[in-house]
Amino acid sequence: GQNIDQPTEMTATEGAIVQINCTYQTSGFNGLFWYQQHAGEAPTFLSYNVLDGLEEKGRFSSFLSRSKGYSYLLLKELQMKDSASYLCAALDSNYQLIWGAGTKLIIKP
Amino acid sequence: IAGITQAPTSQILAAGRRMTLRCTQDMRHNAMYWYRQDLGLGLRLIHYSNTAGTTGKGEVPDGYSVSRANTDDFPLTLASAVPSQTSVYFCASSDSKVSSYNEQFFGPGTRLTVL
Repeated sequence: GQNIDQPTEMTATEGAIVQINCTYQTSGFNGLFWYQQHAGEAPTFLSYNVLDGLEEKGRFSSFLSRSKGYSYLLLKELQMKDSASYLCAALDSNYQLIWGAGTKLIIKP
Repeated sequence: IAGITQAPTSQILAAGRRMTLRCTQDMRHNAMYWYRQDLGLGLRLIHYSNTAGTTGKGEVPDGYSVSRANTDDFPLTLASAVPSQTSVYFCASSDSKVSSYNEQFFGPGTRLTVL
């Protein structure tokens, strides 16, 4: 079956760095997405990886290892507004997004 | 430019009633999707449409139907609502479903409670 695993909840301190891991098992693979979802709001796109390696976009970076079925989202210089859920999703061979349950990130002052 | 709008924002519905959730996008995207999001579970795809005039079943289609008469609108209908359909429903769109770079844009969601 197809499956996405990510931690349910993480806590970090304002100004620090946090890494949110995601492992995936899909029928084929056409890319890995990260979305951010604030409580009560819609998900919004953060990053896309299809090749191995690190993609950096400001304070956020995303890494992919296709051979290991593994990705992580790295958030630097954490701000209170980064408190949100982070959703990992893999695109399978039918171009269908398989979503993880999300990681709730709590930022403490 | 609104992006994607959904209506209603929230609704309380008696079991057995029929309900249509509305979704409209103004980005001229070809593909549209309906998801439900329940606590502790990932977004689950209900139905999708690759382009106007076509629809397909997702992971959890039972009890739901959709239509895609034009590019902009993608309504979701619950023919006879049941309490297990209590959820937050998100409509989304993307330029193309059959594409590796498939960034999806989401509407604000509809919170539906079936009693």
